[in-house]
Amino acid sequence: DAGITQSPRHKVTETGTPVTLRCHQTENHRYMYWYRQDPGHGLRLIHYSYGVKDTDKGEVSDGYSVSRSKTEDFLLTLESATSSQTSVYFCGTGVPGNTIYFGEGSWLTVV
Amino acid sequence: AQTVTQSQPEMSVQEAETVTLSCTYDTSESDYYLFWYKQPPSRQMILVIRQEAYKQQNATENRFSVNFQKAAKSFSLKISDSQLGDAAMYFCAYRIVQGAQKLVFGQGTRLTINP
Repeated sequence: DAGITQSPRHKVTETGTPVTLRCHQTENHRYMYWYRQDPGHGLRLIHYSYGVKDTDKGEVSDGYSVSRSKTEDFLLTLESATSSQTSVYFCGTGVPGNTIYFGEGSWLTVV
Repeated sequence: AQTVTQSQPEMSVQEAETVTLSCTYDTSESDYYLFWYKQPPSRQMILVIRQEAYKQQNATENRFSVNFQKAAKSFSLKISDSQLGDAAMYFCAYRIVQGAQKLVFGQGTRLTINP
């Protein structure tokens, strides 16, 4: 399994505040992903990266931005958090043609 | 767009029995990968098994095996000799080979093991 660390693991924030989630990997994987998990929806892709400074949108990208300034770190930012962004966020990493591995998840509550 | 469907929101099985979880997918690609992930109450996503679309032989990992029917776009997971530790959410997922190689998930099946 890839060494994937997500931080923070749990966060409660107020509506309208900015929030940044960090994903750090130690396996030098090219691809990194941010997913959110909500009841009844499985995991849905927010944004992904296929290299340093190369990112693109997933199916639920509205209200989120990402940055990848170095291979090991992929940041997910909620510019102005809303209650609909209360969710569990998973970071995944992988190499072409292989399994994607996931971090332990970040629980975000927006009140 | 690729989609993955798990038609069984919940399943239950007696301990030591066999259970099969269903998954169908929709794609126009010929080369791809399929996965089953397990998510226990800890919410960790754990890889159970993977299948390459170009391989005709069904993948097997100990008590876990798949029935991969490429023409029917079906990818079911069979768990033999079910154990209490198998209780979890199970997600079927599809990964395209080209481009961003995104992973597309089904909605999940919650598996309960009855002692």
